[in-house]
Amino acid sequence: QKEVEQNSGPLSVPEGAIASLNCTYSDRGSQSFFWYRQYSGKSPELIMFIYSNGDKEDGRFTAQLNKASQYVSLLIRDSQPSDSATYLCAVRIGGNNRLAFGKGNQVVVIP
Amino acid sequence: DTAVSQTPKYLVTQMGNDKSIKCEQNLGHDTMYWYKQDSKKFLKIMFSYNNKELIINETVPNRFSPKSPDKAHLNLHINSLELGDSAVYFCASSHFAGTSGMGQETQYFGPGTRLLVL
Repeated sequence: QKEVEQNSGPLSVPEGAIASLNCTYSDRGSQSFFWYRQYSGKSPELIMFIYSNGDKEDGRFTAQLNKASQYVSLLIRDSQPSDSATYLCAVRIGGNNRLAFGKGNQVVVIP
Repeated sequence: DTAVSQTPKYLVTQMGNDKSIKCEQNLGHDTMYWYKQDSKKFLKIMFSYNNKELIINETVPNRFSPKSPDKAHLNLHINSLELGDSAVYFCASSHFAGTSGMGQETQYFGPGTRLLVL
């Protein structure tokens, strides 16, 4: 079982629509969860982190965490062409700050 | 600028050579990491140092040897380069959160070093 799994992509969404990305993880003891965005040829940059069950909103982004079901999701509202990128889900596993990453979801926003 | 920096950005070399990549951060973090991102874009941890002490050492060939002279620097030396070592290597840094953590352990990535072994 993979530590972090993301649905295979790419996900195409029209401009202005909502993009929904899901991620599941295997370690029930995980406490911190991160979403990174990576543009082609660039390094991952943090969008959001979440550590409590429920929703966390930051601008057009909403992260949702459900520890009982071991999934974390990211919603991108009012998608813009600049949101076209690969989104990486990361889960902190263990006590050494180790992050396990999913394979990423490529999002393509169509103008 | 406050950031994580890496040198070089690009590295093209022949099989069998030895090469080094350097990383520096001025974010005041105490933990640094090396990641490898392969052609399929999968990002995988290789090593981590906390206050110059190795705390994560994943299953990596012993041709790869990290070294942290101080909290702000982490270098990666690769001996006898192989074709399969071609990838993008990212350095990252963070605060160390131990078993707790409410986001302060967020990792910040450098721009990456694109290594091509011919």
